[in-house]
Amino acid sequence: AQTVTQSQPEMSVQEAETVTLSCTYDTSENNYYLFWYKQPPSRQMILVIRQEAYKQQNATENRFSVNFQKAAKSFSLKISDSQLGDTAMYFCAFMKLSGTYKYIFGTGTRLKVLA
Amino acid sequence: DARVTQTPRHKVTEMGQEVTMRCQPILGHNTVFWYRQTMMQGLELLAYFRNRAPLDDSGMPKDRFSAEMPDATLATLKIQPSEPRDSAVYFCASGSLGASGRGAQYFGPGTRLTVL
Repeated sequence: AQTVTQSQPEMSVQEAETVTLSCTYDTSENNYYLFWYKQPPSRQMILVIRQEAYKQQNATENRFSVNFQKAAKSFSLKISDSQLGDTAMYFCAFMKLSGTYKYIFGTGTRLKVLA
Repeated sequence: DARVTQTPRHKVTEMGQEVTMRCQPILGHNTVFWYRQTMMQGLELLAYFRNRAPLDDSGMPKDRFSAEMPDATLATLKIQPSEPRDSAVYFCASGSLGASGRGAQYFGPGTRLTVL
C-alpha cells in the first residue's frame, strides 16, 4: 500500500522569503503522479503543481517549484517570494497510474506567511 | 473558467433529518469523487464514480450514506438519517485521466454540514 508523509505539521516564513515543504512517499509503483494542493482559509482545495514520475525535470509554476527525487521518494515544494496569500494548508498527494485513480493524501502542512 | 460547483454551500440540520448534497462536475470529466474533511480525520474518500458507474464506496457508512450519479452533470450524496458526527465539510472533485487531465482532481468549494 502507498503512504504519503508530511513531517512538518506547521511552518512559518517571512513575506518575500523562500520556504520548502517536505513530502515523502512509499510505493512499489514505477508510474505515478504527485501533486501539491493548497487549502486557504476559504477551504477551497486548489491544485498548485503536479509532477509525472517518468519526467526527470522538476515541475515549476511561477513561484512554486518542486524538488522530485524519485529514488529517495521525496517530493518537496518550494515557494519563492512568499506572499501573504500563500498562507494555507498544503497537502501532498500521490496517485498511481494503474487501477483506481484514487489519491493518497498526506496529513498536510499549515504554512503561515508573516508580514 | 470551468469549475466544479456544489450546493448547498452551508447546511444546518437537526439529527435524524435527511441531507442531500449536489455536485456538478466539470463538463467532460469522467471521474467524480466525494470526500469528507474533519479536523480529526483529515480528508477521507467516501466514494467515486467513473463514467457514472460507482467504482468504490468503501469509505462510506453504508447504513446511512448513499451516492449516486443520475447523469453526467449531477452527482449526489445523501445522508439519512443524519447524526452529529456527520458534521464536516464535504467536497466533490472531478477529473479526467488522460493526456489532457494528467490525473488532476479539481475540487468544488465544499458543503459545510452541521448536524445539531
